[in-house]
Amino acid sequence: EAQVTQNPRYLITVTGKKLTVTCSQNMNHEYMSWYRQDPGLGLRQIYYSMNVEVTDKGDVPEGYKVSRKEKRNFPLILESPSPNQTSLYFCASSLFAGGTWHEQYFGSGTRLSV
Amino acid sequence: QKEVEQDPGPLSVPEGAIVSLNCTYSNSAFQYFMWYRQYSRKGPELLMYTYSSGNKEDGRFTAQVDKSSKYISLFIRDSQPSDSATYLCAILKGSNYKLTFGKGTLLTVNP
Repeated sequence: EAQVTQNPRYLITVTGKKLTVTCSQNMNHEYMSWYRQDPGLGLRQIYYSMNVEVTDKGDVPEGYKVSRKEKRNFPLILESPSPNQTSLYFCASSLFAGGTWHEQYFGSGTRLSV
Repeated sequence: QKEVEQDPGPLSVPEGAIVSLNCTYSNSAFQYFMWYRQYSRKGPELLMYTYSSGNKEDGRFTAQVDKSSKYISLFIRDSQPSDSATYLCAILKGSNYKLTFGKGTLLTVNP
């Protein structure tokens, strides 16, 4: 079964305390990405990765870091969380090969409160 | 000008109605056009995608792209209460593979 697993589902933290949200996929997809969803602002891409060791900024990358050391994992790192990063976060995994978009799956989301 | 504009609605229709959801975009370099459905408290799910212009049909759903007017549409025929959700359009540039979403339209189909 195609699966994108995000952890944790809920997270409450304080300003400045580093945290990592994990994301793992079991479909051998090359394209993975992170989004935040806020009322009135919709879904916005934070970072994306076309393959291992290849990452690029989305529309709202400030305050976030990512890494892609293995194909299946794409963690989102907040080095010094601030209250404006309180949001609902989604990880997604996509089959985007040969210049063609084939499929995309989202995780269940992580609700972060800073 | 925002890259993707989508009317947030809300849109309320009776069961069986034809629903039309629309987005406009600003950059003609966009090549992939997607529609997602998101139920309350769930992650988005990819419904349909089209490359370049034209129509694509999948059951009761039809996605349409008009590149000349930079307009994308999703039509839902014979709408059902189970179609009640937020629908998001998204576009992707083939050159940098960044995905940009509209703000979503909340649809309610009343039995």
